[in-house]
Amino acid sequence: EVQLVESGGDLAQPGGSLRLSCSASGFTFSTYWMTWVRQAPGKGLEWVASIKEDGSEKVYVDFVKGRFTVSRDNAKNSLHLQMHGLRAEDTAVYFCVRGLAGASMWVFAYWGQGTLVTVSS
Amino acid sequence: EIVMTQSPGTLSVSPGERATLSCRASQSISINLAWYHQKPGQAPRLLIYGASTRATGIPARFSGSGSGTEFTLTISSLQSEDFAVYYCQQYNNWPGTFGQGTKVEIK
Repeated sequence: EVQLVESGGDLAQPGGSLRLSCSASGFTFSTYWMTWVRQAPGKGLEWVASIKEDGSEKVYVDFVKGRFTVSRDNAKNSLHLQMHGLRAEDTAVYFCVRGLAGASMWVFAYWGQGTLVTVSS
Repeated sequence: EIVMTQSPGTLSVSPGERATLSCRASQSISINLAWYHQKPGQAPRLLIYGASTRATGIPARFSGSGSGTEFTLTISSLQSEDFAVYYCQQYNNWPGTFGQGTKVEIK
C-alpha cells in the first residue's frame, strides 16, 4: 500500500524558514517524480514544486522560485521542501503527492495527509 | 499559465439525484484533465483522469467527458459519501493548474 507521511509543518515568522519532509513507502520511490501541492485555508489546490526520479530535474511555480527548494533522498525514501523567505500567503497545508506511472505522472493518485505551515508574527 | 474555471460554485442536490459539474480550460488541453474530490479535513482523492478514465476503485456512477477546453463530471446517483468539493486539474502544460472547486452539498 502506498503511504506518504508529511512532517515539519509549524508556525513560522514572516521571512523565516521551515523544512518539510515526506516519508514514502509501499512503492519504489526512486522510480517516480514527486510533487508538493499546497492548499491555503478554505482555498483551492496549488502545485508548488516537482522533482524528477533521480533528483536531476526540479520545477517550481513562479511564486516560490528562489525561495523554496525541493530535494529527495532515494536511499531513505524521503522528499523534502526547504522553504525560506516565508510570507503570510505561504500559509497552507502542504501535501506530498505521487502521480501515476509513465505519461500520467502528473495525475495525482496518491496524497499524504498534509502538514500545516502557518506564517504569522 | 492555463486557467481552469469550474461551474457552478455550489451545487445543491438531493441524494439519489444526478449531478453535473463543468470545467473549462483557458486553452486546449486535449484530454489531459483529472477530477478529484475532497472531504473536509482530508486529502483530495483522484476520481477520473484522461478526461474519462475512472481511477482504481472509483464506482461507475462517476463518469467524465470532454476534450479540448470543455469537460464534464457526472455523478449519476448521488450517495451520501459524494457530498464534497470537486476539483478539476489540467496536466497538459506546466504548471498543472486546478480549478477553484465546486461544492456539492445536500439539498
